[in-house]
Amino acid sequence: DVKVTQSSRYLVKRTGEKVFLECVQDMDHENMFWYRQDPGLGLRLIYFSYDVKMKEKGDIPEGYSVSREKKERFSLILESASTNQTSMYLCASRFDRGLLVHEQFFGPGTRLTVL
Amino acid sequence: SQQGEEDPQALSIQEGENATMNCSYKTSINNLQWYRQNSGRGLVHLILIRSNEREKHSGRLRVTLDTSKKSSSLLITASRAADTASYFCATDQNTGFQKLVFGTGTRLLVSP
Repeated sequence: DVKVTQSSRYLVKRTGEKVFLECVQDMDHENMFWYRQDPGLGLRLIYFSYDVKMKEKGDIPEGYSVSREKKERFSLILESASTNQTSMYLCASRFDRGLLVHEQFFGPGTRLTVL
Repeated sequence: SQQGEEDPQALSIQEGENATMNCSYKTSINNLQWYRQNSGRGLVHLILIRSNEREKHSGRLRVTLDTSKKSSSLLITASRAADTASYFCATDQNTGFQKLVFGTGTRLLVSP
């Protein structure tokens, strides 16, 4: 079974702090994703990566950056946390065969609260 | 942008009843996927249906896809309390890299 793990289930940080959210997958998937989930807004894509050291902006990249130094690890960085970044953060990974999209495997989520 | 829109937003039924959720989307797709999310957890993939398929089954799940109407439905038969969750459809956007775009979900409550 594919396993996607996230470093924390719950995290509380203060405004202005630098925050690191880590995600690790164990199935050698090329593609990894970071979403945030807010009530009434569904899942919104922040950043994704299709290979090591490659990253692409999603729909809401402002205030975030990412790092993918190893294939299995994809980190989301909040350079200076703000209260409007309080949210549930979900990491996912996926294997595609050519242009055929397959299922995405999600981690358990990190509920981040910024005070 | 939100590609998939689920309907209804919330659904409450009794155990043993069937639950039907619908998803509409706006642009052409290669495939449509359904996911389940238990409260406060990550999403779990349920089923994927490709644009050239009309119906797919998996256990108590039945998914239909009507590309002419740009809509899909998820039917859960003989529902159980454990089916209580939020259900999301996700569609791929044909923009080179295939990003999945998720709807806002249907919250299903199955009462014993």
